[in-house]
Amino acid sequence: AQTVTQSQPEMSVQEAETVTLSCTYDTSESDYYLFWYKQPPSRQMILVIRQEAYKQQNATENRFSVNFQKAAKSFSLKISDSQLGDAAMYFCAYRSATSSGTASKLTFGTGTRLQVML
Amino acid sequence: GAGVSQSPSNKVTEKGKDVELRCDPISGHTALYWYRQSLGQGLEFLIYFQGNSAPDKSGLPSDRFSAERTGGSVSTLTIQRTQQEDSAVYLCASSLDGNSNQPQHFGDGTRLSIL
Repeated sequence: AQTVTQSQPEMSVQEAETVTLSCTYDTSESDYYLFWYKQPPSRQMILVIRQEAYKQQNATENRFSVNFQKAAKSFSLKISDSQLGDAAMYFCAYRSATSSGTASKLTFGTGTRLQVML
Repeated sequence: GAGVSQSPSNKVTEKGKDVELRCDPISGHTALYWYRQSLGQGLEFLIYFQGNSAPDKSGLPSDRFSAERTGGSVSTLTIQRTQQEDSAVYLCASSLDGNSNQPQHFGDGTRLSIL
């Protein structure tokens, strides 16, 4: 079974600064997807960024980028030029590339609460 | 609507009562997922529906939990004889199909509180 670990329960960053959120995972599969979701107080899970394991290039989405280290099973999220609206819970998630049954579920870490300071 | 809709937004009930939570997926999405988020935890998979296939119920924590999906659209998650440990946010997600490259779109969840 796959597991996802987020070792930082809380992080804080000054507005306009850069912050990195850590995520490690464990799997025996070679092909999979990794995600970062943002959950504001509204509770809705919002997809921030996605990485396919077979791609060596790190995904980037505007101010959000990842550092994907497949051999180390590490998938960190970097937020540049932090804004007040970035304050939320951030969840790292894993999904098998197999498209059958339970394999299509997302496996989540326990989350990191990000505070953005003025 | 444009997104996944869940109702009610909040539900408070007494221990031992039955509750029903509703999820209306994005129109045209054949895959539907239920997750549970307990306080301070990540999301825990409960059940998965894909088209007309038999649902994957491997994540349901006990036989008090069941779910249906009628007509391949709306889904209802039912919890019988609720216990205090059932208190959590229940999130529903849908995707175009069950393929792994399809993103899951989440609703706002139902916060269930058992007194």
